[in-house]
Amino acid sequence: AQSVSQHNHHVILSEAASLELGCNYSYGGTVNLFWYVQYPGQHLQLLLKYFSGDPLVKGIKGFEAEFIKSKFSFNLRKPSVQWSDTAEYFCAVNARYNQAGTALIFGKGTTLSVSS
Amino acid sequence: AAGVIQSPRHLIKEKRETATLKCYPIPRHDTVYWYQQGPGQDPQFLISFYEKMQSDKGSIPDRFSAQQFSDYHSELNMSSLELGDSALYFCASSKQGYQETQYFGPGTRLLVL
Repeated sequence: AQSVSQHNHHVILSEAASLELGCNYSYGGTVNLFWYVQYPGQHLQLLLKYFSGDPLVKGIKGFEAEFIKSKFSFNLRKPSVQWSDTAEYFCAVNARYNQAGTALIFGKGTTLSVSS
Repeated sequence: AAGVIQSPRHLIKEKRETATLKCYPIPRHDTVYWYQQGPGQDPQFLISFYEKMQSDKGSIPDRFSAQQFSDYHSELNMSSLELGDSALYFCASSKQGYQETQYFGPGTRLLVL
């Protein structure tokens, strides 16, 4: 079975600080990797995704993530956070079976609080 | 761009009542997923459908059932509601394929009293 581990439950930063959120997954096969963001009271929005190719992927709002296969990791980074980045961040994976409808497995989430 | 539509957005029910949640996927998306997110929890996968057939199944209680219709919309039917069913229920949709992104709807917040 797949599982996702997010190391930081709650991260508090000042504006302009750099951000790195850790994500490790457990699965023996090939996976697709995602980071979603959930602003207070809102639905999940896709930040970025990795399917194959360049392990460094860039997403919306200046976020990027690096897939390190040997470490089963997909850490999210942003060089300079803004107050508006305050939200819950979820790492998610799904196994790359050759079928539609494969479930996303989410980590427990990291709450990011940015102070101005 | 069109997004996933869910209705109702909020629902209050009594214990042992039934509830039906509806999901309308993004146009041309043929795969629908249901997730349950409890307070302060991560989303948990319930069930998914592709071309009206169940595709994957997660931790969906036997009291719940779901289906996908010919127009690709989906309904989640919940019976004998329990207090613990209070949660945010998300629907997501994607196009068929194992490299397709799931796009989430705004969710239905269910409160069971």
